[in-house]
This record gives sequence, C-alpha cells and structure tokens, in this order.
Amino acid sequence: GESVGLHLPTLSVQEGDNSIINCAYSNSASDYFIWYKQESGKGPQFIIDIRSNMDKRQGQRVTVLLNKTVKHLSLQIAATQPGDSAVYFCAEAQIYNQGGKLIFGQGTELSVKP
Amino acid sequence: DTGVSQDPRHKITKRGQNVTFRCDPISEHNRLYWYRQTLGQGPEFLTYFQNEAQLEKSRLLSDRFSAERPKGSFSTLEIQRTEQGDSAMYLCASSSGTGYQETQYFGPGTRLLVL
Repeated sequence: GESVGLHLPTLSVQEGDNSIINCAYSNSASDYFIWYKQESGKGPQFIIDIRSNMDKRQGQRVTVLLNKTVKHLSLQIAATQPGDSAVYFCAEAQIYNQGGKLIFGQGTELSVKP
Repeated sequence: DTGVSQDPRHKITKRGQNVTFRCDPISEHNRLYWYRQTLGQGPEFLTYFQNEAQLEKSRLLSDRFSAERPKGSFSTLEIQRTEQGDSAMYLCASSSGTGYQETQYFGPGTRLLVL
C-alpha cells in the first residue's frame, strides 16, 4: 500500500514518565496557539491553548510553553499514561486578522509503553 | 451529545460522482470551519463561516467544492465530479467566535474514499 506522508516524528516514553513534545511555528504574527490530540480514526481533541501575551499555561497534567523569540511551542505531559498514546498536533492562528483559521504543524506520534 | 457531529462518517464513491457532507456545530457557536486531512498530515484549512456568511476560502478549495451554511446553524460541503485526489478525512470544527474564547472543537470527521 501507499505510505507517502506516514513518517511522523515519534516519541516513545515509559508509562509514568514525563513527555515533552515540541513544535516550531511559522508566523510571527500568530497570536493564538493550541494543542490537539488525535487518536486513530477520530477528530482532533482539544488539549490546551495559549495566547501570545503568555509564555506558560497549565492544565490538568499538561503544560504549554511558548517562546516567541524563537517561535517555539512545547507540550509537557506529566505522568504519561497509556491512554495518552496518540498523534499530537500544534496549531497557530491569528484570531483578529484571519478569523482564527488554524494552521497545523506536522504532528508527533506519542507511544506510551506500559 | 452536545459536541460537533458530522454525517456520514464514511463515504465511498466512484470517480466523477458528487458527494455532500453535513456538519452540525455546537449549539450557538457562530463560527464553523471545514478542514481536510490526508494520511499522516495535519488538517488543512478549507473555508469558514461566521454565522451564515462564508468569509474565507482556501486556494485548496477548487471550483468543484462548495460549502453553505444557510441558516447559520448546520453546514454542508459538496464536492462535484469527485477525483481520486479528493480522498481524505473532511473535518468540521466550530467555535464561539467571540474573540475571547476561540477554541475550535472538532467533529469526528467524514472519511471519503474515491475509487
């Protein structure tokens, strides 16, 4: 079968360890950033978001860090669980200038070993 | 279920046929977005609506594609004269569009296979 486009970056972690997924975004004018989790055959599921006037935001077991100087975004997952196994996408948007349409990054496949 | 719903979930069609997908957004969400996702890639923006007005269309949206949101609630995406390259997952998302709460919530998608 065809395999074009299947070579996602992968991250493999042990259950209970912390995971860090990185993303470089492209547009310095972007003012809103969001992380999604996507399981096979399902739509993207919202995890956490952050606006450009912040550099850190925490949720339940997740933290997003934003470094505008180098246009870098990261997602930290504490105490990773097997249910966290999925593909993770970062996305950027310009809320006020472009209606909030999301520009997605490549995606990282997270595999959690029990 | 108060999330975004899409119908059908799967569609197999022959090249040259027309297909139509439906999206029902979260109630009272003003903005509705369509994205397309191919295997191993992130979703790509196609078009979006603010209430019933279609405000932007991507260059990915050829003239064979048309989207509507006639009453500012559900939306349809039609593809005419389908081609094999149209095979993809078509995702719908909605947001409140208030400028403060901009989270886009996605539906489960419609997977299209063109033979």
